[in-house]
Amino acid sequence: QSALTQPASVSGSPGQSITISCTGTSNDVGNYKLVSWYQQHPGKAPKLLIYEVSKRPSGVSNRFSGSKSGNTASLTISGLQAEDEADYYCCSYAGSSTYAFGIGTKVTVL
Amino acid sequence: QVQLVQSGAEVKKPGASVKVSCKASGYTFTGYFIHWVRQAPGQGLEYMGWINPNSGGTNYAQKFQGRVTMTRDTSTSTADMELSRLGSDDTAVYYCARVRSGSSYFDYWGQGTLVTVSS
Repeated sequence: QSALTQPASVSGSPGQSITISCTGTSNDVGNYKLVSWYQQHPGKAPKLLIYEVSKRPSGVSNRFSGSKSGNTASLTISGLQAEDEADYYCCSYAGSSTYAFGIGTKVTVL
Repeated sequence: QVQLVQSGAEVKKPGASVKVSCKASGYTFTGYFIHWVRQAPGQGLEYMGWINPNSGGTNYAQKFQGRVTMTRDTSTSTADMELSRLGSDDTAVYYCARVRSGSSYFDYWGQGTLVTVSS
């Protein structure tokens, strides 16, 4: 299973909005509404931010939102804060009981 | 509260095997699949496979088939992942994560176990 494509880095100033894209194929992102997003701070385990394309778990800030169009999913962080500086990974169900992760995007708060 | 607590760091020689444990608490162990994901130093997340603690059924990513074995012990709510024929490119942090049966996202993760393969 190939890795999903994400930009290596995205940056923004505090208060701004940024969007991270996650491009797959018709075998994964494009075929299922089963995209999730994870935030990972250095030395820490990933944390679930978004599941099933656009749903937020309890306790996750509503500044995080997700969407999907065709083979590309997106994560938007609005009102960027210093604590949002981290690595972000998308993940999609890829059929046959397997999953594909994105290569990861480093978010920098300027 | 839900916790997945993993075993400690390991150092192994090339060609050896390693077993990483993941002990679950705070929920019904058999109601959630346990998945394994690894992360090489400075790299992204790589999916390895899952085990169904209820049935013991497994599914491994193609890359690891023949080299990985996932097991569980329902009496101790523990899932294990054993990786054999280790090479230097297996040096990574290995995570367990749970997925509710019927869903497709990892809602709780273990703290990670660093496996270092070095001669």
